[in-house]
Amino acid sequence: KAGVTQTPRYLIKTRGQQVTLSCSPISGHRSVSWYQQTPGQGLQFLFEYFSETQRNKGNFPGRFSGRQFSNSRSEMNVSTLELGDSALYLCASSEGSSGNTIYFGEGSWLTVV
Amino acid sequence: DQQVKQNSPSLSVQEGRISILNCDYTNSMFDYFLWYKKYPAEGPTFLISISSIKDKNEDGRFTVFLNKSAKHLSLHIVPSQPGDSAVYFCAASSLSYDKVIFGPGTSLSVIP
Repeated sequence: KAGVTQTPRYLIKTRGQQVTLSCSPISGHRSVSWYQQTPGQGLQFLFEYFSETQRNKGNFPGRFSGRQFSNSRSEMNVSTLELGDSALYLCASSEGSSGNTIYFGEGSWLTVV
Repeated sequence: DQQVKQNSPSLSVQEGRISILNCDYTNSMFDYFLWYKKYPAEGPTFLISISSIKDKNEDGRFTVFLNKSAKHLSLHIVPSQPGDSAVYFCAASSLSYDKVIFGPGTSLSVIP
């Protein structure tokens, strides 16, 4: 089974721009979660989608948004980028029931200059 | 408010010895706990999990212990190997949560 795939792996954006990151979950997984990791910080939960619906949301500003498609693929978008948005963005998928293990992709490294 | 805590930012252990990584949680609703290992520039890799109905789960060199009354869990790695050097994240979830909450991580260095 293919793992969680994230694209692009690396990108550089300018302050004020917007960015879209993509995630393809493991086949059969219906839940996709997004996390942000900044240097020295743990994994901060952004949001979680299940069957195209956002089930949970972390404490991030409205500039951070996401969506999930009918094939479970997910995208997250960050608008009006700030320097502090530079981070590793990780996508994880699971079957969707509580008690399921989540599996991560390799992440998308975003640098805002 | 940090619901999952890993109070040791770093740990150094000699190769062949036991590594013990600790994790504390505050939310008594958590009933499923996981450990992940992360190398630089890679996504976290699932290591081992434990349900709240158990107090121990073992997988090869990795054993997780859960003390529900103390809201504490630990990961034991025996014997430790240089390839185990990584950041280890403790995580927790619950039936009412649907999301997985991670601790800040502990950086383990295994010295040859």
